[in-house]
Amino acid sequence: GAGVSQSPSNKVTEKGKDVELRCDPISGHTALYWYRQSLGQGLEFLIYFQGNSAPDKSGLPSDRFSAERTGGSVSTLTIQRTQQEDSAVYLCASREYNSPLHFGNGTRLTVT
Amino acid sequence: AQKVTQAQTEISVVEKEDVTLDCVYETRDTTYYLFWYKQPPSGELVFLIRRNSFDEQNEISGRYSWNFQKSTSSFNFTITASQVVDSAVYFCALSEGGTGFQKLVFGTGTRLLVSP
Repeated sequence: GAGVSQSPSNKVTEKGKDVELRCDPISGHTALYWYRQSLGQGLEFLIYFQGNSAPDKSGLPSDRFSAERTGGSVSTLTIQRTQQEDSAVYLCASREYNSPLHFGNGTRLTVT
Repeated sequence: AQKVTQAQTEISVVEKEDVTLDCVYETRDTTYYLFWYKQPPSGELVFLIRRNSFDEQNEISGRYSWNFQKSTSSFNFTITASQVVDSAVYFCALSEGGTGFQKLVFGTGTRLLVSP
């Protein structure tokens, strides 16, 4: 079946604008995760969903970041009033119970 | 709190050399899972292995092998007879047992460069 799909693959935006990043997980995967990878850095956890609820949103850097998941499927990560330090690759992953994470190819966000 | 340390930032080897990537973890849970992922230059993260805390048997898969030692909280990864295609960033990760959906905490990665 299809893997995790993220869109757009690339996004360039001006400082101060809002952006929405979309993730379509693997069908049937209960849990969905958002990570951020800055240039040359490791993976920073942002938030995860179990179904439509978010038991752990401890990694969201500020209140400019929010995420939602609807129908236990698609998730949207929204960054309001983007700043240059938000530039990074945003990775989405999904998994079944106790299984490995399956990652999408990411959205490369550039804030100019 | 859970933490993963990959002290080696970058390793350079010549093809056919063996190389070991180190991973040290910290957790207070007795039930946890350890993972290795590969991120080639194309960027996608590829799952390599998962090991639970109750299984300390070493594992071998082709040229790859993993050495899990709870006594030293380490989960090291060895590539035998390295090849240019092994060039990538390798991440070690830890997930505490919990609900089975706990987040993975990643190390900062080790960049492996294999030259011909």
